[in-house]
Amino acid sequence: QQQVKQSPQSLIVQKGGISIINCAYENTAFDYFPWYQQFPGKGPALLIAIRPDVSEKKEGRFTISFNKSAKQFSLHIMDSQPGDSATYFCAAVGYIPTFGRGTSLIVHP
Amino acid sequence: DAGVTQSPTHLIKTRGQQVTLRCSPKSGHDTVSWYQQALGQGPQFIFQYYEEEERQRGNFPDRFSGHQFPNYSSELNVNALLLGDSALYLCASSPTRGYNSPLHFGNGTRLTVT
Repeated sequence: QQQVKQSPQSLIVQKGGISIINCAYENTAFDYFPWYQQFPGKGPALLIAIRPDVSEKKEGRFTISFNKSAKQFSLHIMDSQPGDSATYFCAAVGYIPTFGRGTSLIVHP
Repeated sequence: DAGVTQSPTHLIKTRGQQVTLRCSPKSGHDTVSWYQQALGQGPQFIFQYYEEEERQRGNFPDRFSGHQFPNYSSELNVNALLLGDSALYLCASSPTRGYNSPLHFGNGTRLTVT
């Protein structure tokens, strides 16, 4: 049973554009929502994370928006760059971490 | 300062065999977790070790077992390998065992079962 649904599976944007990746969860026991970035041949690296008591968190070009009532959260990458091309995973953490299936982002120069 | 290191990088085994994967956590970290990442999927939590004991476990059979040593390094053992065990196995360390403690992942061990 997939407890964290991530979409889209793949995303292509132009340099300078906005990349948006969405995640939805079911278990209300989740209490911490990190996003990870993974390059080919590397392990995931923590990008940004949010707690459900805030609706938005911004770090540089990366912003998480969180909607607790809808049980949804999203990652926005502003001014997307070719170096942002990677696979992005959302996760929801309660008792144990649960990851989404990932979004492959390609940013064209 | 070395991050999380895993060995070996790649491994090929035959069905029914046993395998041991190793992980050294980032300096200053005392909690180690293991994840299985199938091709095109997100990481799936196997278990977490803290103070040399398994503290949490995901939905994996008993064929998957682990160990943590006094220096915080860890091993993942998988017995009676199945073709479906082919995946990237990731080790992650964290400074505390709290649920919101940031995970630092290694680059993984690619296991192929033939």
